[in-house]
Order: sequence, then structure tokens, then C-alpha cells
Amino acid sequence: AQSVSQHNHHVILSEAASLELGCNYSYGGTVNLFWYVQYPGQHLQLLLKYFSGDPLVKGIKGFEAEFIKSKFSFNLRKPSVQWSDTAEYFCAVTMFSGGYNKLIFGAGTRLAVHP
Amino acid sequence: GAGVSQSPSNKVTEKGKDVELRCDPISGHTALYWYRQSLGQGLEFLIYFQGNSAPDKSGLPSDRFSAERTGGSVSTLTIQRTQQEDSAVYLCASSQRGSNSPLHFGNGTRLTVT
Repeated sequence: AQSVSQHNHHVILSEAASLELGCNYSYGGTVNLFWYVQYPGQHLQLLLKYFSGDPLVKGIKGFEAEFIKSKFSFNLRKPSVQWSDTAEYFCAVTMFSGGYNKLIFGAGTRLAVHP
Repeated sequence: GAGVSQSPSNKVTEKGKDVELRCDPISGHTALYWYRQSLGQGLEFLIYFQGNSAPDKSGLPSDRFSAERTGGSVSTLTIQRTQQEDSAVYLCASSQRGSNSPLHFGNGTRLTVT
């Protein structure tokens, strides 16, 4: 079955630490890849996206993600996190199914950054 | 400009009652999604409308759930005979040209079934 897996459900870091959140998907066809972020009390916002081209994608607020096709992965990274990065992060993948591109989300990773 | 609008923002209902949740997408967006976000469960896909094509209902958890989209714009998600496990935040999102474009999310409807 088509699915998106985020292996870390809760991550706790201190400010200035490096971040890497894992995302893997199970689908053999062409995919588009997204990371969304949900800050406390706010709605989901797009962080970055990959459609084609350079597999290393840079997004807002210093985040980047790398698409590794052979590993079916799209991990999110940030070299130095800030307290304001505390949020829940969702990986999402579009998969062609039943004649349509369907967007499937992972379960999310809740990040807490301590000052 | 106006974003995705959902109403009501909060709904408390008794077990067994029917509820209707409304979503007004961004004007011109052809794709509309419903997701459910339960505590600790992440985002669960429910249903997807794309233009005038038949919707993808593969995520609806039971036949108590249904959704329609009138005139390619406003969508209503209906839950019949609500159960306590239906309590969640129901999110609507819309996008241009199907899911190749980023989704714009509404603020959600928080449903509590007592």
C-alpha cells in the first residue's frame, strides 16, 4: 500500500543543535515531495517542495531537504535550530492513484527546541 | 486575498447526532481535500475532489462519512450517527491544478463528540 513514514514522532533539541527528520515513502512511480510545518495554534504551511531537478531543495527559514530516489527518502535538515522552530513537521508525497495525484501525509514529527 | 475558510471552527455534538462541516476553498482552486487530524495520529486522508472528476473516497473511514462538492467550489463533509472516535480536527485544503501544487489549508473544524 502507498504510505509515508516519519520515523521520529517526538524530537527534543537544544538551540543551535542540528536537525534531521526522516521521511520515507513506499511508491514506485513518479512522486512530488513536500514538507509542511504546523506551529502551535496555527494551520499547516508549506516549508519546501521537490518536483524535479536538483534533489537538494532549500526552503524557508534555513530548512533544506534531500530527495534520494534509491532510498525513497526525503529527509528534512537544518544546521542550527532555534526555539521558534518548535512545531510539528509533516512530510507529504503525491502518488498517482486511481487516475489522480493523491497527496498523502506522514504521521508527523513533533519538534521541541529548548533555549 | 481570502484563504480557505472552514465553518464552524468548533462543534460539540452528542453521540449519535449528524454533523455537517463546511469548506470554502480559494477561488479558482480545482482540487479540494479533506483530512482528519486526531491527537497523536497525524494527518489522515479522507477524500479528494479534482475538478468535475469523480472524487477519490478511499480514505473515508466508514459509510457514516460522506462529502460532496457543489459547483466545483464549496464542499460539505457529513458525518452521520457520530461516535466518540470521530472527535478530531477536520482540515480542508485546496490547490490549483491538482496536487502538484502546494495545498492551502483552512484553520479546521474541531469536532468533539460527547
